[in-house]
Order: sequence, then structure tokens, then C-alpha cells
Amino acid sequence: GENVEQHPSTLSVQEGDSAVIKCTYSDSASNYFPWYKQELGKRPQLIIDIRSNVGEKKDQRIAVTLNKTAKHFSLHITETQPEDSAVYFCAAPDTGNQFYFGTGTSLTVIP
Amino acid sequence: GAGVSQSPSNKVTEKGKDVELRCDPISGHTALYWYRQSLGQGLEFLIYFQGNSAPDKSGLPSDRFSAERTGGSVSTLTIQRTQQEDSAVYLCASSLVSSLTEAFFGQGTRLTVV
Repeated sequence: GENVEQHPSTLSVQEGDSAVIKCTYSDSASNYFPWYKQELGKRPQLIIDIRSNVGEKKDQRIAVTLNKTAKHFSLHITETQPEDSAVYFCAAPDTGNQFYFGTGTSLTVIP
Repeated sequence: GAGVSQSPSNKVTEKGKDVELRCDPISGHTALYWYRQSLGQGLEFLIYFQGNSAPDKSGLPSDRFSAERTGGSVSTLTIQRTQQEDSAVYLCASSLVSSLTEAFFGQGTRLTVV
């Protein structure tokens, strides 16, 4: 199966600064890498994903980069705002479509 | 329905009682997942269904936990003889069979064992 590791577990940034969360995975056959945001008391929801045929994808203030050789992918949030405060999870499915989630990063944006 | 639906939203039960949690996935989604999330913690994998079969049951914490899925749709997670450490939010998610699609989560069932 897949082994997904996520760092850091907690992250505090000043409003307007950037935040970066990193994940590594073990299954070289994995080809889809989503990021989920979970606000307090709510369900995890997809915010951005990347397929293995691209190295970077951007959507307004968030971006994801993928390095298949090194088997790691990262979430980048620029110009952070208080509403970005949440827990973020990375995930990687194995070849059987079972999703493996990272342990989560609690992001706090300080106004 | 438009999304993954879980019932009940909240369940308070006495220690030692059995509980049954239900998940209605998005229509057409063949993959279904159960996770457990304790307060402030990550997503603990419990079980994964592909259709009605469960290729991976490795996450079930003990033999008090069981799950089934019928008709490739609704799934139930049963916890027998509940213990206080079973208190958590139980999340269900579903996805299309393709490995290039997201998993959609239900709102969860908050289980409290008193």
C-alpha cells in the first residue's frame, strides 16, 4: 500500500505571508494528488489537486507542485488570510484507488 | 442525493451498547471509505469498499467493528459493545472507480459513548 507523510503538523504564519505544506509518498505508481481543507467542525473538502502529467497547478492564491522523481508534492498558499486557518490534508491513492491521507497540518493565520 | 449523506449526525450511546452508522454515497460512486477522526486528530482509516467487497479491512480497530455494503450503495458501520474510546467523528467518503477523481466526504456522525 501507500505511505503518505505530511509536514509540518502545525504551522503559524502572519497574515499576508506564505504557507507551505509538504507531503511525501511511497508508491511510484500513484498518479493523483489532492489536497483537502477541513475547517473546524466541518467535513474535509477538496481545494486543489494535481495529476502526475503536470508539475504545477495554480488556482488564485493556492498552488500545488509535484516532483514525481522525489515522490513529494507541496501545497503553497500565498497572501494568507485568517479564513485560510484550517487543517489541511494531502492524499495519494494507490493503484487500487484506496485513498491514503497524510496526518494533517493545522494552519493558523495570525491577523 | 447531491452529496454523501451520513446518519445519524449525532449519536449518544451508553457504554456496552451496539451502534450502527449509515452512509449513503453519491450515486454511481463505486468506492466507499470509512474514517475515524478524534478531536483535533487526523483521519484514521477504517475500511475501504470497492463495490460490495472490502479489499482492505486492515484499519478496523478490533473485532467489535464491522462494516458492510449492499447493492454497491449504502454502507453501514457497526460497533458492538461500545467503549468510551470509540467516541469520535466517523466520516464516510465516496469516489468514482477511476483513480483520478476526488473523494467526497459526508458530514460525519459524532459518536459519544457515555
